[in-house]
Parts: sequence; structure tokens; C-alpha cells
Amino acid sequence: DTGVSQDPRHKITKRGQNVTFRCDPISEHNRLYWYRQTLGQGPEFLTYFQNEAQLEKSRLLSDRFSAERPKGSFSTLEIQRTEQGDSAMYLCASRQTGSGNTIYFGEGSWLTVV
Amino acid sequence: GIQVEQSPPDLILQEGANSTLRCNFSDSVNNLQWFHQNPWGQLINLFYIPSGTKQNGRLSATTVATERYSLLYISSSQTTDSGVYFCAGGDKLVFGAGTILRVKS
Repeated sequence: DTGVSQDPRHKITKRGQNVTFRCDPISEHNRLYWYRQTLGQGPEFLTYFQNEAQLEKSRLLSDRFSAERPKGSFSTLEIQRTEQGDSAMYLCASRQTGSGNTIYFGEGSWLTVV
Repeated sequence: GIQVEQSPPDLILQEGANSTLRCNFSDSVNNLQWFHQNPWGQLINLFYIPSGTKQNGRLSATTVATERYSLLYISSSQTTDSGVYFCAGGDKLVFGAGTILRVKS
């Protein structure tokens, strides 16, 4: 499978716990994006990377959220001290700049905070 | 930041009918794309279309960049076309709220 893969697909956690999501982009894609989507809404931009550099982080992203892409390949999104409002689907996407610009999404990681 | 408005918000079609979905942007955008989100949440890229017209089977899209809008045409709709259609644009891909399409057999 050469698509964008995300893990875990589903996560139920208690409020206050930390969670980490992983994204493996399409091989050789230099751009990697994280989005959050709640029911009835479009995906909301969180952050994106060009190789290992984090280029931008949404102002909506509190300091409980952190993302890394240490070697310019896979990325992790960590949420500390989860709150019920963090319940959402977290989507990862990747693309290769200068090569058609088509962006490809993973299947998402569903988070439920109880 | 860029604002994206999609219309209509909901659409119900009889199988075989045609439809047009619209996307308006508050400012010029690059990287304009259309997506279909299936009932399982998977976002499938339909078109990368910063300008001009493209066709892929029963789907086609047209972007008029100077007027900051894009259209997605679905012809001879099928029940498998049901889902949510999003447009998005800009370096960070700002999304609209989507159009929910239901195709009835």
C-alpha cells in the first residue's frame, strides 16, 4: 500500500490523558499536513511540514498540541491533557510540491475523549 | 485568511440526474482542489484545478480564477456518488463546509 497511512484508526481516552497519532506519508512526498475534522464541518488546518521543517501552526492549536516530523518522513501529532473538545477525526495528508500539487489524505484517526 | 463558501449545503438527487456544486473564494487562491468524502470519512481527491476545465468520467470541474469560483459537475449521478463534496485552496488548503449529496435509487 503506497497511500498515506495513519495509526491508530480509533482511540478512546480519558480526559487528561495524552495521546499520540502517527502518519506515514506517501514515500518521497515533501509536504505533510495535519487537519482536524468534527461532525458536519470541513477539515480544519492544524499544521504543515516541508520535509522536517514545521512551516506553520494554526493559531487555533493550543500549546497542548505538538507535531513533529523528525526525519522528514513520518510525523506524529501529540495531544497532552486531552479535553472532551478534542474529540474529532485527525487527518493527515501529503503531497509533492511541484509535481501536480495533488494532495492525498489518509483515512484519519478518530479520537474520542471520555 | 481565505474564506471558502460552498453551495448548496445539501442536495438530493434521483439517480441519473445531473448536478452542479459551487465553490466561492474570498480571495485568489492557488492549489484549488475538489474532494469527495465517503461515509467512512476517507477524503478522495477528485481534481487539482487552479484554473480551466478538467474531466474525469462523469465528473468535470471548471475554475474561473479571475472571478474566484469553481464548479463541480456530476452527470448521470449514481448512488455511489453520495457523500460530502469539499473544495479547498491555498497553501494550507482551507476547506469549505462542504455539500452533502444524497443520490436516491
